[in-house]
Amino acid sequence: DAMVIQNPRYQVTQFGKPVTLSCSQTLNHNVMYWYQQKSSQAPKLLFHYYDKDFNNEADTPDNFQSRRPNTSFCFLDIRSPGLGDAAMYLCATSRDTHSNTPKGETQYFGPGTRLLVL
Amino acid sequence: GQQLNQSPQSMFIQEGEDVSMNCTSSSIFNTWLWYKQDPGEGPVLLIALYKAGELTSNGRLTAQFGITRKDSFLNISASIPSDVGIYFCAGPSAGGTSYGKLTFGQGTILTVHP
Repeated sequence: DAMVIQNPRYQVTQFGKPVTLSCSQTLNHNVMYWYQQKSSQAPKLLFHYYDKDFNNEADTPDNFQSRRPNTSFCFLDIRSPGLGDAAMYLCATSRDTHSNTPKGETQYFGPGTRLLVL
Repeated sequence: GQQLNQSPQSMFIQEGEDVSMNCTSSSIFNTWLWYKQDPGEGPVLLIALYKAGELTSNGRLTAQFGITRKDSFLNISASIPSDVGIYFCAGPSAGGTSYGKLTFGQGTILTVHP
């Protein structure tokens, strides 16, 4: 089945120690997104890639970076995690963003990576 | 920016009861999406609505895209314990630099008592 895969599902890191979360997709979608979700809140978009074009949200801290080496993979790098960065990190994909066919904008989420910062 | 107001915030129901939740917006959406999120998991797409007035079912779930494009509801019939979770409505922004960016409702926490 075509899907969005995130590894690891749980990640423990130390305060200030860089960490990388990974996402892969078999949907062959053009767009990949990274969201941060804290308890009992809706997901908050950090950035997205349309193919190789990187789009950062204005309020995403510089501490968060992303890489997309190919269509299938996207990484979230947290350079110096703080206690406030403990959260669920969600990867999502969509076929398109700007589309005359609304179905292309529909986003499909992975299972998430729960990050704990000690 | 666009906002979605989702209600109710939480529901406590008995197994077998029907559930209804809705989302409203002051601006127009061209697509309405309903997701369910289980604890510790990512949101799973339940129903996608792409046309004003559209009524779509997925098993015991039924959702409608309001004719004004500013609202949508999700109904769950004959609830079961595995319906427990958080339900989010969402819609892609309809223009400007944030084109395609999802706006989420605040979520409805559903608890089902056996």
